[in-house]
Amino acid sequence: GAVVSQHPSWVICKSGTSVKIECRSLDFQATTMFWYRQFPKQSLMLMATSNEGSKATYEQGVEKDKFLINHASLTLSTLTVTSAHPEDSSFYICSASGGSYNEQFFGPGTRLTVL
Amino acid sequence: AQSVTQPDIHITVSEGASLELRCNYSYGATPYLFWYVQSPGQGLQLLLKYFSGDTLVQGIKGFEAEFKRSQSSFNLRKPSVHWSDAAEYFCAVFGGNKLVFGAGTILRVKS
Repeated sequence: GAVVSQHPSWVICKSGTSVKIECRSLDFQATTMFWYRQFPKQSLMLMATSNEGSKATYEQGVEKDKFLINHASLTLSTLTVTSAHPEDSSFYICSASGGSYNEQFFGPGTRLTVL
Repeated sequence: AQSVTQPDIHITVSEGASLELRCNYSYGATPYLFWYVQSPGQGLQLLLKYFSGDTLVQGIKGFEAEFKRSQSSFNLRKPSVHWSDAAEYFCAVFGGNKLVFGAGTILRVKS
């Protein structure tokens, strides 16, 4: 149980385009989903926390107009990177929680490369 | 704010040897502590967690960790490493409604 999927697993796009990443909880209802960013050889940094049906809460320094998060259902959250630039290239990982924030189940991640 | 320090960026051990990965945390209250493992290009898998109670915690894949409040540490151990344990290991502390991760330790296993 407690499986989280992400799609796509990798994506390459041109600078200036927008990219959408999906995060799904497959076998449980995720009241809260989290989006993390991981630069090469670095740790995960929390970008935002989203509760189903509410606006996401962004961490300090994360541009909410650039990283649009939607959590429209209890099994799906999306992260849209708008007007992507090469510096947005990174590994994006989502996690999902069915209740306690301290119990998060992680997706396999999405590798974004912006040319 | 909470923080996690993993002093070792890389560790290399021989297959069959014992392993200890260090983790020190900073948090004002009683911490919730975690160890995760990440294989290349993959998400995170939870190895074990400490919330309260027995300070020696058993996890999956033969790993264990010991919470030492006096040293603000939560070191991960395994008595005999297998080649398949080669991966990156992250220690994390939960506080302020979020997980904060250490920088990670890359484990290499020599045959």
